[in-house]
Amino acid sequence: QVQLQESGPGLVKPSETLSLTCSVSGGSITNYYWSWLRQVPGKGLEWIGYVYFTGGTNYNPSLKSRVTLSVDASRNQFSLSLRSVTAADTAVYYCAGSNRFYFDVWGRGALVAVSS
Amino acid sequence: DIVLTQSPDSLAVSLGERATINCKSNQTALYSPDKYYLAWYQQRPGQPLRLLIYWASTRGSGVPDRFSGSGSGTDFTLTISSLQAEDVAIYYCQQYLSTPWTFGQGTKVEI
Repeated sequence: QVQLQESGPGLVKPSETLSLTCSVSGGSITNYYWSWLRQVPGKGLEWIGYVYFTGGTNYNPSLKSRVTLSVDASRNQFSLSLRSVTAADTAVYYCAGSNRFYFDVWGRGALVAVSS
Repeated sequence: DIVLTQSPDSLAVSLGERATINCKSNQTALYSPDKYYLAWYQQRPGQPLRLLIYWASTRGSGVPDRFSGSGSGTDFTLTISSLQAEDVAIYYCQQYLSTPWTFGQGTKVEI
């Protein structure tokens, strides 16, 4: 059974870059489209984008100018980089896997606060 | 972007009773070419989100049969036929017809 675990700093300063990694265990990274999503506390879910194991990506236009997703198949990991963060980027960030449609595996989420 | 609106925002249901959650798309029928591109998820505190329903009516792996999905066009429904204590959660619908994939705002189910 595939399991996902997010990791990275829980606090990022305004204008800096938020970086998170998702480790995939129990399965191959080649089997899914790997997404990042976020949830502002008390709000709904926002899809950030996905990366395929080949490196192909698809981003939400609302964040596209600040986001880079990448994959390291040798480590069974994929990563999120969000540049020029502000307080509005404070959220719980989730990694998830899909068959390019619905998400059938999720991480537990990582809270990232943007504050000086 | 396709906007999904869920109703109600929250509901309280007695144990053993039925819970019904609606999800409405604002733009287009979530249908192409012979399936509805809609999923439902459950979010319990401290737990990863769980896929309940995909293709609008297909239950995910291990999902109890008290959960069912239905609907067509722009209107979809998640039904919990007999609410159990472990069903207390927030439920989200999601469209995957077109990117950016979007979610409803969530419906909180309480006892």
